[in-house]
Amino acid sequence: AQSVTQPDIHITVSEGASLELRCNYSYGATPYLFWYVQSPGQGLQLLLKYFSGDTLVQGIKGFEAEFKRSQSSFNLRKPSVHWSDAAEYFCAVTQGAQKLVFGQGTRLTINP
Amino acid sequence: GAVVSQHPSRVICKSGTSVKIECRSLDFQATTMFWYRQFPKQSLMLMATSNEGSKATYEQGVEKDKFLINHASLTLSTLTVTSAHPEDSSFYICSARGTSVTDTQYFGPGTRLTVL
Repeated sequence: AQSVTQPDIHITVSEGASLELRCNYSYGATPYLFWYVQSPGQGLQLLLKYFSGDTLVQGIKGFEAEFKRSQSSFNLRKPSVHWSDAAEYFCAVTQGAQKLVFGQGTRLTINP
Repeated sequence: GAVVSQHPSRVICKSGTSVKIECRSLDFQATTMFWYRQFPKQSLMLMATSNEGSKATYEQGVEKDKFLINHASLTLSTLTVTSAHPEDSSFYICSARGTSVTDTQYFGPGTRLTVL
């Protein structure tokens, strides 16, 4: 069955530190990959997406993600986090016309 | 990016009443809209997928007679929770996708439903 795994339920980093959020997927072919961010009580905002081409994708708010086919991973990174980055982050995957499948989410806490 | 709105943002209703939630794509035509439910500290659970002018496709375990979905135009979909009960209290989020299957899903801000 198709699935998306975000191994880390909760991550805490200090402001200014680097960040990497992990995402692994299980699909038969190359899927379309997304990272969304959700602030408390809000909807989801698209950070970045990968459909094809360059495996390193740049997104908004200084985030980037790298698609690694050999590892079935699409990890999200940011070189220096800001207090405003505290939120819930969701990795999601779809294949063509199929529905989005979400990971369980990673809650990011920023220490001052 | 594209903008999707939801109305209302919060609603409180009495048990047994019906509540309608609107989802609008403001600057693009949404061939397909999706309705999700999110429980506290959990991921999004897809309830149904609706294509403009067609009946919605419901996920397994979602009662289609309780959660009525209408997608009458390319910019508007509605979710009606009929005969609401306290267990229907949740955060409901819609998303909209354009005409191509490779188009991104853009999400609305969500609606917090509380049933007393």
